[in-house]
Amino acid sequence: DQQVKQNSPSLSVQEGRISILNCDYTNSMFDYFLWYKKYPAEGPTFLISISSIKDKNEDGRFTVFLNKSAKHLSLHIVPSQPGDSAVYFCAASVNTGNQFYFGTGTSLTVIP
Amino acid sequence: KAGVTQTPRYLIKTRGQQVTLSCSPISGHRSVSWYQQTPGQGLQFLFEYFSETQRNKGNFPGRFSGRQFSNSRSEMNVSTLELGDSALYLCASSLNRDVNGYTFGSGTRLTVV
Repeated sequence: DQQVKQNSPSLSVQEGRISILNCDYTNSMFDYFLWYKKYPAEGPTFLISISSIKDKNEDGRFTVFLNKSAKHLSLHIVPSQPGDSAVYFCAASVNTGNQFYFGTGTSLTVIP
Repeated sequence: KAGVTQTPRYLIKTRGQQVTLSCSPISGHRSVSWYQQTPGQGLQFLFEYFSETQRNKGNFPGRFSGRQFSNSRSEMNVSTLELGDSALYLCASSLNRDVNGYTFGSGTRLTVV
């Protein structure tokens, strides 16, 4: 049972434009969400997080939005750069217990 | 500082065999978690160890087991390998049991033939 879903396996965006990656979850107990970025042959690296007490968190070009009522979060990358091309995973956890539920990932390609 | 080290990087095994994967966490990190990554399922949580004790376990059969040593290094064992066990196995370490500061290794690519 996939509790965290990323329904778009892939996304292509022109350099300089906005990339929007989406993630839905089913467990209303999740209260901490993260995005990870993964290049081939490397482990995922932490990108940005948000707790359920907020609806937005921003870090440079990356912004995560959380809509608790819709059980939806999104990652916005503005402007998109070719180096952003990677697989992006969203993840959720309950409290700060050390178990993440990951989505299946979205492969982002930024076209120069 | 050194990152999370997983060995070996690649492994080919035959159905029915068993395999042991190793993970050395970042120095000082006491929590180690293991994940399985497959194309259709994303990252699936296997288990988490903290201070040599398993604290959390995912929905995997008993063929998957692990342990953690006093120096926080962890091993994962899979017995009676099946073709479906072919995957990238990732471990992640963190300072304590807080999900912040999770750092992943590069993984071990296991192929079962």
